[in-house]
Amino acid sequence: AQSVAQPEDQVNVAEGNPLTVKCTYSVSGNPYLFWYVQYPNRGLQFLLKYITGDNLVKGSYGFEAEFNKSQTSFHLKKPSALVSDSALYFCAVRGYNYGQNFVFGPGTRLSVLP
Amino acid sequence: EAGVAQSPRYKIIEKRQSVAFWCNPISGHATLYWYQQILGQGPKLLIQFQNNGVVDDSQLPKDRFSAERLKGVDSTLKIQPAKLEDSAVYLCASSLEGGGTVTQYFGPGTRLLVL
Repeated sequence: AQSVAQPEDQVNVAEGNPLTVKCTYSVSGNPYLFWYVQYPNRGLQFLLKYITGDNLVKGSYGFEAEFNKSQTSFHLKKPSALVSDSALYFCAVRGYNYGQNFVFGPGTRLSVLP
Repeated sequence: EAGVAQSPRYKIIEKRQSVAFWCNPISGHATLYWYQQILGQGPKLLIQFQNNGVVDDSQLPKDRFSAERLKGVDSTLKIQPAKLEDSAVYLCASSLEGGGTVTQYFGPGTRLLVL
């Protein structure tokens, strides 16, 4: 069965510092990996996805993520955090094989401190 | 481009009552999803439609939940009767098609509180 783990419930980082939000996954076959962000009282917004190709994926708002097949990880990164990046971040996976559907992780709350 | 619309935004009901949520996807999107997001958890897929057909409803509690997308556009999710554990945010999402590589676009959600 597919699963996603986000080992940190909360990540705190100072504004201007680099940030990393961790994600590991388990899936049968090749994975399709996604990051979404959720602001208070709003739905999820798409940030980026990995389908195939270059392991480093660039997305919206300066975010990027690196796919590491051997470590089954897809960590979200940003070189310089902004206070406005404070939100809830969800990693999601879908397996390549037929019949597999989207599974979301439990979320990581990012707080960027001024 | 208009996003995914959902209504109502908030609903408070008593247990054993029924409730319905409505979703209008982005125009032209063939695939529609309903998710349940319990506080402190990630969204859990309840049902996926491709046009007006059900692709996956394996996690839908069919004894009390039902959903339809009769004309392949908007959709309704119903709970009857509601239980306390149904308190959650119900998210609707849509995508151009149903493949694994597609990006899903989410609506603002309906927050349900069952008392």
